[in-house]
Amino acid sequence: QKEVEQNSGPLSVPEGAIASLNCTYSDRGSQSFFWYRQYSGKSPELIMSIYSNGDKEDGRFTAQLNKASQYVSLLIRDSQPSDSATYLCAVNMKGGADGLTFGKGTHLIIQP
Amino acid sequence: DAGVIQSPRHEVTEMGQEVTLRCKPISGHDYLFWYRQTMMRGLELLIYFNNNVPIDDSGMPEDRFSAKMPNASFSTLKIQPSEPRDSAVYFCASSFWGATEAFFGQGTRLTVV
Repeated sequence: QKEVEQNSGPLSVPEGAIASLNCTYSDRGSQSFFWYRQYSGKSPELIMSIYSNGDKEDGRFTAQLNKASQYVSLLIRDSQPSDSATYLCAVNMKGGADGLTFGKGTHLIIQP
Repeated sequence: DAGVIQSPRHEVTEMGQEVTLRCKPISGHDYLFWYRQTMMRGLELLIYFNNNVPIDDSGMPEDRFSAKMPNASFSTLKIQPSEPRDSAVYFCASSFWGATEAFFGQGTRLTVV
């Protein structure tokens, strides 16, 4: 069974601090990795994608990928209350044309 | 572009009834995905299409579930007969390059009583 694992949380972080979200995946052949943000009652929204080892930065967000360790992370700098949401890690385990396998998500709470 | 459009947004039905969920993908996207989200199981891929052709339906839980894509701008997910355990939020998503950069619709919250 190919899996994506995340700590469900809640993860509580003070406003202005760095929030660190982690994800592991089981299929070593996985090709593409994504972070989605989902507010309560809303649909998942893509915020980051990463395809190669290392870091990828976009504004306050940094995605980190380590294929050898089968590990993906998302860092949110200068956390804001509006960042409070569930963050879903998603993995394309076959590459090319295939649906994404999602983790169950980490619930992040930014405390003002 | 209006994004992925799903209808209805909410559906309440009685056990045993037929339910049809609808999806209009983003124009130009050639992949369409149906997902189901529950608290217990998270987001699960049910089926996906490429150029209107079903590619992988291994996630469809039972024969009571069926999906069609008669043209590039419309897809349906049908449950017949519906059961209370089908209660979930059903999302449709579309993408341009397979599973990369998938964009989700607003979802249909289905309640079977």
